[in-house]
Amino acid sequence: AQSVTQPDIHITVSEGASLELRCNYSYGATPYLFWYVQSPGQGLQLLLKYFSGDTLVQGIKGFEAEFKRSQSSFNLRKPSVHWSDAAEYFCAVGARDSSYKLIFGSGTRLLVRP
Amino acid sequence: DTGVSQNPRHKITKRGQNVTFRCDPISEHNRLYWYRQTLGQGPEFLTYFQNEAQLEKSRLLSDRFSAERPKGSFSTLEIQRTEQGDSAMYLCATRDTGELFFGEGSRLTVL
Repeated sequence: AQSVTQPDIHITVSEGASLELRCNYSYGATPYLFWYVQSPGQGLQLLLKYFSGDTLVQGIKGFEAEFKRSQSSFNLRKPSVHWSDAAEYFCAVGARDSSYKLIFGSGTRLLVRP
Repeated sequence: DTGVSQNPRHKITKRGQNVTFRCDPISEHNRLYWYRQTLGQGPEFLTYFQNEAQLEKSRLLSDRFSAERPKGSFSTLEIQRTEQGDSAMYLCATRDTGELFFGEGSRLTVL
């Protein structure tokens, strides 16, 4: 079955500290991979995506993610967290076909300590 | 603001009533998706359209749910005889050739 696992429901980091959010997926083949962010009452905003090529992808707001095929992982990182990064983060996989249908993980809520 | 507009933003209804949500996509985007997000969960795919054709429906979309996209422009999602389990955020997303752009969602509360 296709699925996305985000093992951390909540993560708390201090402002200025580094961040890593974990994502593992189960899929028949290498899917498209995405990270989205959702602030309270807001829709989803795309942070970055991996389709092919370089396995380290850069996104907006200083985020990056690394695709590791052997581990079926796509972890999100940021070297220095800002208070405005507090939000919910969702990892998603998408079919490599015309549907572009996404399967989302259950999310990780990031809290930032001042 | 992604350019995807959803209305109403909030809807409170009594069990058994019908509700309809509307999504106005980015004008040049031919693909439109509906997702449902319950509290503490990620969005779940419901259905999608290419222009006016509904190409796929999830098993989550029971016969009380119907979605349309007349003329390939705006889309509506109707829920008939609402149940408390329908309480969720209903998200619309549109796509041209690249990424999905999500609207801010329509939150449904069924009392």
